[in-house]
Amino acid sequence: GNSVTQMEGPVTLSEEAFLTINCTYTATGYPSLFWYVQYPGEGLQLLLKATKADDKGSNKGFEATYRKETTSFHLEKGSVQVSDSAVYFCALRGLEYGNKLVFGAGTILRVKS
Amino acid sequence: GAGVSQTPSNKVTEKGKYVELRCDPISGHTALYWYRQSLGQGPEFLIYFQGTGAADDSGLPNDRFFAVRPEGSVSTLKIQRTERGDSAVYLCASSPQGGRAGNEQFFGPGTRLTVL
Repeated sequence: GNSVTQMEGPVTLSEEAFLTINCTYTATGYPSLFWYVQYPGEGLQLLLKATKADDKGSNKGFEATYRKETTSFHLEKGSVQVSDSAVYFCALRGLEYGNKLVFGAGTILRVKS
Repeated sequence: GAGVSQTPSNKVTEKGKYVELRCDPISGHTALYWYRQSLGQGPEFLIYFQGTGAADDSGLPNDRFFAVRPEGSVSTLKIQRTERGDSAVYLCASSPQGGRAGNEQFFGPGTRLTVL
């Protein structure tokens, strides 16, 4: 079945450091891929998405590229801020399973000033 | 406009009791989803409605769980004979159309259920 694996956290970085959160997936066919973010005390928000191979999703300085050959969708940001501290979830939406999202376990990011 | 709302925000109940959790989706969204998020985990799919009908209920863990959406808008997740293992945050999401790849799902703030 479909599944998502993302790197375990917590990830602790200093402000302005480079961020990578790894995400790999298992799916049949061509799923859509998403990164969701959950800020402290808030609900899940879509951060970015990509719907086909080689697409790059980007938002708020974050980027992720849909890599079919490595079944990956790693999240990157060149310079993190304290306000980026949150839990980040990688997710996929596979056509054969209808419309549900399959999430990874989440990665806690802590950014220190 | 208003986002997805869920009530109550917190629910504490005793083992064996019945609970109902409510979701108000974004107006006009035909697709509605329920997920369950246990501590330290990502959300897990429970059920998906397209309009009034449950298009996919494959994630419901057992027959104690049931959900309805009688008028194609508000949905209620019902849990009978609650168990301590049901304790989690229950999330609701809606999207404009369920069937198109890449459609964003908009999430509510969740209901935190605690079964004592």
